[in-house]
Amino acid sequence: DVQLVESGGGLVQPGGSLRLSCAASGFTFNNYAMSWVRQAPGKGLEWVSAISGSGGSTNYADSVKGRFSISRDNSKNTLYLQMNILRAEDTAVYYCAKVLHPGYSYADPSDSWGQGTLVTVSS
Amino acid sequence: QLVLTQSPSASASLGASVKLTCTLSTGHSSYAIAWHQQQPERGPRYLMQLNSDGSHTKGNGIPDRFSGSSSGAERYLTISSLQSEDEADYYCQTWGTGIVVFGGGTKLTVL
Repeated sequence: DVQLVESGGGLVQPGGSLRLSCAASGFTFNNYAMSWVRQAPGKGLEWVSAISGSGGSTNYADSVKGRFSISRDNSKNTLYLQMNILRAEDTAVYYCAKVLHPGYSYADPSDSWGQGTLVTVSS
Repeated sequence: QLVLTQSPSASASLGASVKLTCTLSTGHSSYAIAWHQQQPERGPRYLMQLNSDGSHTKGNGIPDRFSGSSSGAERYLTISSLQSEDEADYYCQTWGTGIVVFGGGTKLTVL
């Protein structure tokens, strides 16, 4: 079974940095594009970033462009999100998700989700 | 601009059917979408991919009570024989050039 386990969340001050990880298992990790999606308290889902299976192509939402960086280590079956210059509005549960079809880019349904990790940006 | 619009809330009685709507923005009526369910205090769960012609592919273990259909720019999720565990938030998702978009979500209450 597909399993995605996020970690690395916590409390950070505005302007600070944090790196999230997502450990993947149960599928051939390097065959699938992956995404980060967040959900602010009491709000809906917001796509943050996506990366191709090889890691050679990345995409970002305008709200995080220039501050966040997505990467992956296919030898460790792990997805990362480096978050810099954090703002209060980045406070959210961050989910990682895999796409449905192998070999597809971000332009595909997210068919498996992790349980999320909470990031709180506050002084 | 690629936008998905959902009604904030819906309600239906236990055992009845409900049809949720996701509307694609002008110029994007041919886009496929995905439906996701999020039960309280849980992560999202993929329900199905829904194409513009109404064909849909459900995720593993999704009951037959969940079905999808399309008409123009509208994408529908129908849940029949409503059960208490269907009370959840439902999100639609689509994708464009360099972006992925989610609708604002519909909170379904089972009466």
